[in-house]
Amino acid sequence: NAGVTQTPKFQVLKTGQSMTLQCAQDMNHNSMYWYRQDPGMGLRLIYYSASEGTTDKGEVPNGYNVSRLNKREFSLRLESAAPSQTSVYFCASRTGGSYNEQFFGPGTRLTVL
Amino acid sequence: ELKVEQNPLFLSMQEGKNYTIYCNYSTTSDRLYWYRQDPGKSLESLFVLLSNGAVKQEGRLMASLDTKARLSTLHITAAVHDLSATYFCALGGATNKLIFGTGTLLAVQP
Repeated sequence: NAGVTQTPKFQVLKTGQSMTLQCAQDMNHNSMYWYRQDPGMGLRLIYYSASEGTTDKGEVPNGYNVSRLNKREFSLRLESAAPSQTSVYFCASRTGGSYNEQFFGPGTRLTVL
Repeated sequence: ELKVEQNPLFLSMQEGKNYTIYCNYSTTSDRLYWYRQDPGKSLESLFVLLSNGAVKQEGRLMASLDTKARLSTLHITAAVHDLSATYFCALGGATNKLIFGTGTLLAVQP
């Protein structure tokens, strides 16, 4: 099992450009999440999807959109990138049961110039 | 407002010493998680604590949860260099969203 995979690993954008970050999981998890991590800070939730076909805003959703394409894939789109969106983006998926443990992808390091 | 606070933010310790990282949170929750992050890497799950008084140990790390005090601790015993990393606690909130602390950067010096 690959677990949670993300593409691309690195990306540089100019202000105003758009791009989509891709995330896929092969663990048959229902719930998936997008976080951003800024230097010296913990992760902050951007959007999440509790199940296929549903998405909800997290703590910092402004400037982002998401699509839960199917059970495996959850993408994050920046329509018009801004320097404030320079960050490392992590996707995660969650087990069920009592632990509800989240497993994280390797991250995408995004720089907006 | 739900807050998760860790201290210290930075910890430099010598090999062989013991220390504790503290995680305080502002509201009740039934799940507390500890993660490790190496520089430039993703987060690795260390512990899931589900109930008051829960204690879990893995090698030189031991985590505990006191839900009445809204406090979790991560205790490091006889630190070694390989434990150098950033450690995050995270609170399991509504709909299983995680609220992360700011992290503790641990540097173990020889």
